Order: sequence, then C-alpha cells, then structure tokens
Amino acid sequence: AQSVTQLDSQVPVFEEAPVELRCNYSSSVSVYLFWYVQYPNQGLQLLLKYLSGSTLVKGINGFEAEFNKSQTSFHLRKPSVHISDTAEYFCAVSPWGATNKLIFGTGTLLAVQP
Amino acid sequence: DAGVIQSPRHEVTEMGQEVTLRCKPISGHNSLFWYRQTMMRGLELLIYFNNNVPIDDSGMPEDRFSAKMPNASFSTLKIQPSEPRDSAVYFCASSPTGDEQFFGPGTRLTVL
Repeated sequence: AQSVTQLDSQVPVFEEAPVELRCNYSSSVSVYLFWYVQYPNQGLQLLLKYLSGSTLVKGINGFEAEFNKSQTSFHLRKPSVHISDTAEYFCAVSPWGATNKLIFGTGTLLAVQP
Repeated sequence: DAGVIQSPRHEVTEMGQEVTLRCKPISGHNSLFWYRQTMMRGLELLIYFNNNVPIDDSGMPEDRFSAKMPNASFSTLKIQPSEPRDSAVYFCASSPTGDEQFFGPGTRLTVL
C-alpha cells in the first residue's frame, strides 16, 4: 500500500518570496507522483507529475518538484510566489502503472501575503 | 471542451432523504472517479469506472451509497438514506487512458 505525508498544513509566505511545500511518501513498489492545486471553491487541477526520467519536473505556473528516491520525497518549489498562488496543494502517489489508484495527502494551504 | 460537469453545485437536504449527485465526464475519457473530501478524512476515492464498468468500489463507505454509469457521458452517485456524517464535497473526475485526472468543480452536500 502507498501513503503520502504532507507535514505542513499551512505555509504562510510573503509575495515574491520563495516557497517549498514538503511531501513524503511510503511505498513498497515503484510509484508515480503528482502535485495538484485546488483554488477556493474549485476542483483539483494537475500542477505537475513524475512518471520516469529526469527527477526534476517542471509544471504550470512556474512550479517545479524534485523526486528524491532515497529520501522518498517529492517537494514542490517556486522561486517567487504571487498572491494568485494562494490555494490548497495536494501531493498524490499511485503505484507504478496504476494511475487510477491515486492516494492523496492531506493538503497544504499556501497563504501568500502582500 | 467544457470540462467535467457536476450538478448540483450545492445540495442541502434533511437526514433520511435520498440524494443524487450527477456527473458528465469529458468526452472521450475512459475512466471516471468519484471522490469525497472532508476536513477530517481529506480526499478519498469512493469508486472508479473504466469504460462504464465499476472497477473498484472498495472506498464506498456503506450500502447507503451506490454509483452507476449507464453510458460514457453520465454517472450518478446516490445516497439513500442520507445522514449528517455524509456532509462533504463530492468530486467527480475523468481521465483518458493515461495519467492525469481532470476534476469537476464538486458538489457541496449538507445533510441536516
């Protein structure tokens, strides 16, 4: 079975500052990893995904994440955040080859302040 | 494309009543998922369909919940009878044969 841990329930940050949202996973098999974003009163939208290949993955809106197999982590980063980045961010994992079985973390609220 | 469409967006009902949530997936997508989101339990997969066939319903909490997909363009999630603990946001998502799920805007259900 797989599990995802997002230790930070809320991350406050000032506009134009860098940010890192942490995600750690547990799995006995190889996995795919995802970050989704949920804006207020909306559904989830895919930010980026790691399936294979380069461990540094670039997504939409200037976000990127790095897969670290030895640390079982997939942290999300952005060098300079905007007010519009305020949202809930979810890390998710699925077993390799079974992307229908997404397991989500509990989410991290990114609160960007002016 | 209009994306995944869910209706209603908000539903308020009384305990014991039947509730039906509706979903229209993106045309051409083979898989459809129903999720429930609560503060306590986060985002949970309830059931998913592939080519209109239920593949995994292990997340359906109990017999009060049922889901159908009579054709490729429509699915329902029914709760009968509803209870206050069913209050949550219910999301429908669809996916082509691949690795990305596209979520609808959700239905916020309140059971009084």
